[in-house]
Amino acid sequence: DVKVTQSSRYLVKRTGEKVFLECVQDMDHENMFWYRQDPGLGLRLIYFSYDVKMKEKGDIPEGYSVSREKKERFSLILESASTNQTSMYLCASRTGTQGGQPQHFGDGTRLSIL
Amino acid sequence: GQSLEQPSEVTAVEGAIVQINCTYQTSGFYGLSWYQQHDGGAPTFLSYNALDGLEETGRFSSFLSRSDSYGYLLLQELQMKDSASYFCAVRGQAGTALIFGKGTTLSVSS
Repeated sequence: DVKVTQSSRYLVKRTGEKVFLECVQDMDHENMFWYRQDPGLGLRLIYFSYDVKMKEKGDIPEGYSVSREKKERFSLILESASTNQTSMYLCASRTGTQGGQPQHFGDGTRLSIL
Repeated sequence: GQSLEQPSEVTAVEGAIVQINCTYQTSGFYGLSWYQQHDGGAPTFLSYNALDGLEETGRFSSFLSRSDSYGYLLLQELQMKDSASYFCAVRGQAGTALIFGKGTTLSVSS
């Protein structure tokens, strides 16, 4: 079974802090993704990566950056946390480029910015 | 860009059949996927349609009409455990990332 592990289930930080959310997958997947999920808005794509050191902006990249130094790890960075970044953050991974390959999600990190 | 429309809520009783519709707009089409998410849980893959027609997996079926930019998820013999949010998704224009609809919350009552 594919396992996508997010480092924290719950996280509380203060405005202005630099926040790191970590995600590790164990299936040698090329592609990794970060989404945020808010009530009524569904899952919105922040960034994704299709290879080590490669990254692409999603629909809402402002205020975020990412790092992929190793194939199994994809980090989301909030450069200077703000209260409107309070959300559930979901990491996912996927193999290949065919549309039918499923994305496997982690359990999410519920981040609160105070 | 891409956009997907699906109803926000659907209610049904145990044993019933429910259909969740999804219409999409995308510049390039690479198939329609469906995901299920229970409250507090991670989204999990249910089905994928690349071609027109019906795909059946147990109690769940998914349908696609590419000419209408439309698909649906059909859930039969509903059970309480089917209460969850259901998302349709298409592959984004920029590459391999899925773009999701806002989700349909299904409530099954006894």
